[in-house]
Amino acid sequence: DAKTTQPTSMDCAEGRAANLPCNHSTISGNEYVYWYRQIHSQGPQYIIHGLKNNETNEMASLIITEDRKSSTLILPHATLRDTAVYYCIVRVPYGGSQGNLIFGKGTKLSVKP
Amino acid sequence: GAVVSQHPSWVICKSGTSVKIECRSLDFQATTMFWYRQFPKQSLMLMATSNEGSKATYEQGVEKDKFLINHASLTLSTLTVTSAHPEDSSFYICSARTSSADTQYFGPGTRLTVL
Repeated sequence: DAKTTQPTSMDCAEGRAANLPCNHSTISGNEYVYWYRQIHSQGPQYIIHGLKNNETNEMASLIITEDRKSSTLILPHATLRDTAVYYCIVRVPYGGSQGNLIFGKGTKLSVKP
Repeated sequence: GAVVSQHPSWVICKSGTSVKIECRSLDFQATTMFWYRQFPKQSLMLMATSNEGSKATYEQGVEKDKFLINHASLTLSTLTVTSAHPEDSSFYICSARTSSADTQYFGPGTRLTVL
């Protein structure tokens, strides 16, 4: 079973920041938070991951709360091509079967003109 | 990021036939590869995990004799759906994990339709 809870869907205006929340209240100390997205009829695409510090890369920013029970993925300037299902997953890197990516239902983000 | 390819991208076959799907890591060596299945409007479900040179580990409820997995090299894994039936029609996605960075990269998927 997925260890995360995400809203089913969200809308965002093109050019605005998209903030996607994720709850992971039972996260263990050695589990990282990973974000992937899946554009319709394609394989998932890795976005970003982190342990406890905020992370930023060319695609997005990841904000993890101090107690690590929730996080937010931020797409700073959403475009129509960012319309996808976004998955928040917790896993243990190098953790054998504990490191397997288990997908929940994700959040369907619709970016509108 | 690392590139994973799948072939074919789509396939239509008759009930009772077998279908082979290839998954390749193009620019890195993947010690571990994964196979997922996704039915319409559902999330990805992990089917099996395979390490190069070892037998695959199947998730509960996945028939190992029906879904044959071979991971003969660090860049190639194959999934063979044997005696396919219409209920096996699905989107099959592979992924590969590097041993160094431990990040998992996904292929574009293969859409299987069994008539």
